[in-house]
Amino acid sequence: GAVVSQHPSRVICKSGTSVKIECRSLDFQATTMFWYRQFPKKSLMLMATSNEGSKATYEQGVEKDKFLINHASLTLSTLTVTSAHPEDSSFYICSARDRAAQPQHFGDGTRLSIL
Amino acid sequence: GESVGLHLPTLSVQEGDNSIINCAYSNSASDYFIWYKQESGKGPQFIIDIRSNMDKRQGQRVTVLLNKTVKHLSLQIAATQPGDSAVYFCAENIEGGKLIFGQGTELSVKP
Repeated sequence: GAVVSQHPSRVICKSGTSVKIECRSLDFQATTMFWYRQFPKKSLMLMATSNEGSKATYEQGVEKDKFLINHASLTLSTLTVTSAHPEDSSFYICSARDRAAQPQHFGDGTRLSIL
Repeated sequence: GESVGLHLPTLSVQEGDNSIINCAYSNSASDYFIWYKQESGKGPQFIIDIRSNMDKRQGQRVTVLLNKTVKHLSLQIAATQPGDSAVYFCAENIEGGKLIFGQGTELSVKP
């Protein structure tokens, strides 16, 4: 149980393109989803917290107009990297949990490469 | 500020030996901790968790120890196998259900 699916697993695109990443909880309803960014050989950095039906809460330093998050249902959250540039290249990972004080379950990440 | 850190960035063990991965946390109000395993190119995988009202919890081949006095967490893996090779992260659950991750320890198992 507690499977989180993330799609696509890899994206390579030109600078200026907007990229959408989907995160789905397959066998549970995720009241909260989280989006992280991870650089090579580094830890996960929380970007934003997304609650179903409400606006996402962004961490300090994360541009909300750059990283658009939508959590329209209890099983789907999307992250859109708008007008992506090479510095946005990274490994983006989502997680979901069904209720508080329960472990977050992670997707397998999206490797984003902006040329 | 709040931080969760690991004492050892890399750990190399012989197959069959026991592994111990350590973690220090700084937020004494945290009441829930999780260990994750991350293999190359994949997302973190839940291993085991522990709440602050416990000091030890066991799973299959894994044990987590929590010492609240010194704000220290450890993960013990018994009879380490090549498939255990990965990066291990401790994570601290803070207000709002957010997780703060430690820097990670890369475990390498030699056959």
